[in-house]
Amino acid sequence: AQSVTQPDIHITVSEGASLELRCNYSYGATPYLFWYVQSPGQGLQLLLKYFSGDTLVQGIKGFEAEFKRSQSSFNLRKPSVHWSDAAEYFCAVGGGTYKYIFGTGTRLKVLA
Amino acid sequence: GAGVSQSPSNKVTEKGKDVELRCDPISGHTALYWYRQSLGQGLEFLIYFQGNSAPDKSGLPSDRFSAERTGGSVSTLTIQRTQQEDSAVYLCASSPKTGPYEQYFGPGTRLTVT
Repeated sequence: AQSVTQPDIHITVSEGASLELRCNYSYGATPYLFWYVQSPGQGLQLLLKYFSGDTLVQGIKGFEAEFKRSQSSFNLRKPSVHWSDAAEYFCAVGGGTYKYIFGTGTRLKVLA
Repeated sequence: GAGVSQSPSNKVTEKGKDVELRCDPISGHTALYWYRQSLGQGLEFLIYFQGNSAPDKSGLPSDRFSAERTGGSVSTLTIQRTQQEDSAVYLCASSPKTGPYEQYFGPGTRLTVT
């Protein structure tokens, strides 16, 4: 079955610390992978996407993600977190069709 | 340019009433999605429109839910005889075309059924 798992419901980090949000997927075909961020009261904004090619993808706001096919993972990273990064983060997977599967999200809290 | 807009931003309604939620996608985007986001849950796919093709309604949770898209642009999601379990944030997204393209989301409509 196709699925996306974000194992961490909540993560708390101190401002300036590094961040890694985990995403594991199960998908029968070549996956297209996305990370979105949702600030309170807002819609989802695309951070980055992976379709093919270089497995390390750079996104907006200093985020990056690495596609690891052998581990079925697409973890999101940031070397130094800012207070404004506090939000909810969603991983999503799609294929050659219009259907996307979203994870349940990871809520990030940043301590000053 | 303008992003995806949704109205109203908040809607409080009594159980049993009908509600209409509106989505105005990005101009030129042919694909339009509706999702439901409940507390602590991911995004639940509801319905998908692509151009003039028949919509994919496979995600609609019951026959109380319906949606239409007029002129390939604005879409309305209608919930009849609302129930408390319909309380959620309803998100609309549009995409330039079908396939593995990123979706552009609106700010959502928070529906509360009392």
